Amino acid sequence: DAGVTQTPRHEVAEKGQTIILKCEPVSGHNDLFWYRQTKIQGLELLSYFRSKSLMEDGGAFKDRFKAEMLNSSFSTLKIQPTEPKDSAVYLCASSPGKDERLFFGHGTKLSVL
Amino acid sequence: AQSVTQPDARVTVSEGASLQLRCKYSYSGTPYLFWYVQYPRQGLQLLLKYYSGDPVVQGVNGFEAEFSKSNSSFHLRKASVHWSDSAVYFCALSAGGGRALIFGTGTTVSVSP
Repeated sequence: DAGVTQTPRHEVAEKGQTIILKCEPVSGHNDLFWYRQTKIQGLELLSYFRSKSLMEDGGAFKDRFKAEMLNSSFSTLKIQPTEPKDSAVYLCASSPGKDERLFFGHGTKLSVL
Repeated sequence: AQSVTQPDARVTVSEGASLQLRCKYSYSGTPYLFWYVQYPRQGLQLLLKYYSGDPVVQGVNGFEAEFSKSNSSFHLRKASVHWSDSAVYFCALSAGGGRALIFGTGTTVSVSP
């Protein structure tokens, strides 16, 4: 039973680059979430999709962050252009919906130099 | 707006001692409340959840949490901790109705021998 798969596990980028993070949710899950995790802020919501429709996005992240669900089994998070303050762990999670538990991937650790 | 506060960034306890992690929330309605745990080098996992009914809910690995509407709290407890309980614990809230989970900043628990 495959869980949430995130690739790559680590990403190093130069300031100003465009990076794309990938996520495959659990098969059959309707909800998909992108969060950013830092020690100071904890988990901050970037985007929330239900049945491929964008339900919420984090207001502070609209400028350079864009998440998409290309189909029900694949999502991407694009950061363009990257800045050093974007260095964090980016988590993808999926859920069957209706406030059921979230299943998290292992995350992508992004370092922006 | 909803919010979750975990006032203790770090807690150190001795193996075999009891543990309580505090969580306060801000929400005008009745929330859905969760505790998640993140073990080293692993994704977040659900410990327990509260929707309604008995204010004390049981979770995995001997954890329980108590909901208090009057105090706007959802504290996590364990009677006797093991070294394997060393992890980061996150309290989370959902307003329901297709809204994403909001997480606290997390509490790092270190269990000493």
